[in-house]
Amino acid sequence: DAEITQSPRHKITETGRQVTLACHQTWNHNNMFWYRQDLGHGLRLIHYSYGVQDTNKGEVSDGYSVSRSNTEDLPLTLESAASSQTSVYFCASSPGTRAGVETQYFGPGTRLLVL
Amino acid sequence: AQKVTQAQTEISVVEKEDVTLDCVYETRDTTYYLFWYKQPPSGELVFLIRRNSFDEQNEISGRYSWNFQKSTSSFNFTITASQVVDSAVYFCALSDSNSGGSNYKLTFGKGTLLTVNP
Repeated sequence: DAEITQSPRHKITETGRQVTLACHQTWNHNNMFWYRQDLGHGLRLIHYSYGVQDTNKGEVSDGYSVSRSNTEDLPLTLESAASSQTSVYFCASSPGTRAGVETQYFGPGTRLLVL
Repeated sequence: AQKVTQAQTEISVVEKEDVTLDCVYETRDTTYYLFWYKQPPSGELVFLIRRNSFDEQNEISGRYSWNFQKSTSSFNFTITASQVVDSAVYFCALSDSNSGGSNYKLTFGKGTLLTVNP
């Protein structure tokens, strides 16, 4: 079955380290998104991509970067992890047919703790 | 700018009670979409429903029903005869053409934690 996966599911790192969170989908979706979920804030968009080589900043992009070298993957990199980036990170994808608004389907999430 | 408000932070009910989760949205666009997602204690986000701004018909799916009222900018979610398995955080979300030049992005409310007690 097609799916969207994230790895690792749990990560502990130290302040200042570079961390990469993986997101892989097998639906052949064009659109991919990264969100963070924090208590009291709901989900906030970090970065998104509408296709290979396309990346865009979301609402809370400072300190994060993404790259899209193929359709299936959108890794999220924390360039120098900060305690404020302790959060639960969700990846999502949608078909990207440009026919209008589409439903986004989410991965299982990655819990990141920055000490 | 688009905004989604879920005023109820937490709701606690006893099993078999009906419960309504409120969602109020703001948008300047005439074409938009509304969504509900469920996040059970296991943490994943599960898509429940999507409605567009041109379809104000209420929808029922088993014990779940949704009431969309453009006049009050609300898209409320009712669970009838609640069960313990309904315990979760529920998110309402909005997507419109003002979502940064494309209508693919979602703006989420902060969520409502529903606890159904046996």
